[in-house]
Amino acid sequence: DAMVIQNPRYQVTQFGKPVTLSCSQTLNHNVMYWYQQKSSQAPKLLFHYYDKDFNNEADTPDNFQSRRPNTSFCFLDIRSPGLGDAAMYLCATSSLAGGGEQYFGPGTRLTVT
Amino acid sequence: QKEVEQNSGPLSVPEGAIASLNCTYSDRGSQSFFWYRQYSGKSPELIMFIYSNGDKEDGRFTAQLNKASQYVSLLIRDSQPSDSATYLCAVDTGRRALTFGSGTRLQVQP
Repeated sequence: DAMVIQNPRYQVTQFGKPVTLSCSQTLNHNVMYWYQQKSSQAPKLLFHYYDKDFNNEADTPDNFQSRRPNTSFCFLDIRSPGLGDAAMYLCATSSLAGGGEQYFGPGTRLTVT
Repeated sequence: QKEVEQNSGPLSVPEGAIASLNCTYSDRGSQSFFWYRQYSGKSPELIMFIYSNGDKEDGRFTAQLNKASQYVSLLIRDSQPSDSATYLCAVDTGRRALTFGSGTRLQVQP
């Protein structure tokens, strides 16, 4: 089945220690997104790629970076995690041929100690 | 003013009843509207999308859109305990990026 895969599902890192979250997709979608979701809050868009074109949200902290080396993979790098970065990180994909609907991976739960 | 607003709930309905979930949005240029279901600790799952004014039905789910009133709703008929979840409304203002509401928590009582 075509799907969006995120690894790892759970990540524990130490305060200030860099961490990378990964996302892959077999849907062959042009657009990939990274969201941050904290408990009882809306998913917050961090950035997204149209193919290789990177789009950063204005309020995304510089501490968050992303890479998309090819159509299938996208990475979220948190350079110096703080306690406030503990959250669920969601990857989603969308096809430009569609109507804007996005399909989410299972998410990575990040804990910062 | 939040861009997408939803009542946080919980909305409690008995099994078999109709659950009505509402969402308002602030950007009149919004073009596409989506409903996602999110179980606790899981990722959002797409249920419905709607682009045009009126109703769109898919099984037990009906999405309703009124662009003049900037209002979108989701009706769930014959509610089941397995429908208990948080329902997220999302709006695309035309740049292929969704703005989500904080969600309404639905509880279906057996």
